[in-house]
Amino acid sequence: ETGVTQSPTHLIKTRGQQVTLRCSSQSGHNTVSWYQQALGQGPQFIFQYYREEENGRGNFPPRFSGLQFPNYSSELNVNALELDDSALYLCASSTRESGELFFGEGSRLTVL
Amino acid sequence: AQSVTQPDIHITVSEGASLELRCNYSYGATPYLFWYVQSPGQGLQLLLKYFSGDTLVQGIKGFEAEFKRSQSSFNLRKPSVHWSDAAEYFCAVAGRFNDYKLSFGAGTTVTVRA
Repeated sequence: ETGVTQSPTHLIKTRGQQVTLRCSSQSGHNTVSWYQQALGQGPQFIFQYYREEENGRGNFPPRFSGLQFPNYSSELNVNALELDDSALYLCASSTRESGELFFGEGSRLTVL
Repeated sequence: AQSVTQPDIHITVSEGASLELRCNYSYGATPYLFWYVQSPGQGLQLLLKYFSGDTLVQGIKGFEAEFKRSQSSFNLRKPSVHWSDAAEYFCAVAGRFNDYKLSFGAGTTVTVRA
């Protein structure tokens, strides 16, 4: 069983740029959630996708957007990057029924 | 709104000693509760979860947690820690009808000394 994989693992961007992070969900999982984890803090819920539709959003501005594809993989896009966007971005996949989120190892974004 | 407080930022424990990590939650009803562990440079791994039923929950790696409704707490325990238990631990809460959108605490870092 393949776990959740995220790419890239590390990247550096400058303020104002745009970034796309990718996530391949675990086999059989139809729900993907994205979390932002700033240094020294707990993860914060960004949004969740279920069967290609957004299914809830946390307190993040519209420049954070996402997609889920028919194979249930997902992308997180962030436009107009700000310094405070520097964080570890975690993707988690699950089924709607189980309540267990399986997390990837994350993409560490540094904004200079 | 749901929220989680982990009062201890950092705990140091000797190998072989017991460990207890505190978690208090705020939610209008009985929520779903979780404990996750994160090793350096890694993602989060689920240790255990509480949905309903027996308030003492057993998890992986010898961990257990007890749900106490009267105290709005879900403390994590391990009778005897191993050096490999050094990590960051997160308590999380989700409402029963919000499709497991988790709210995490700020985490407790556990250091194990020989």
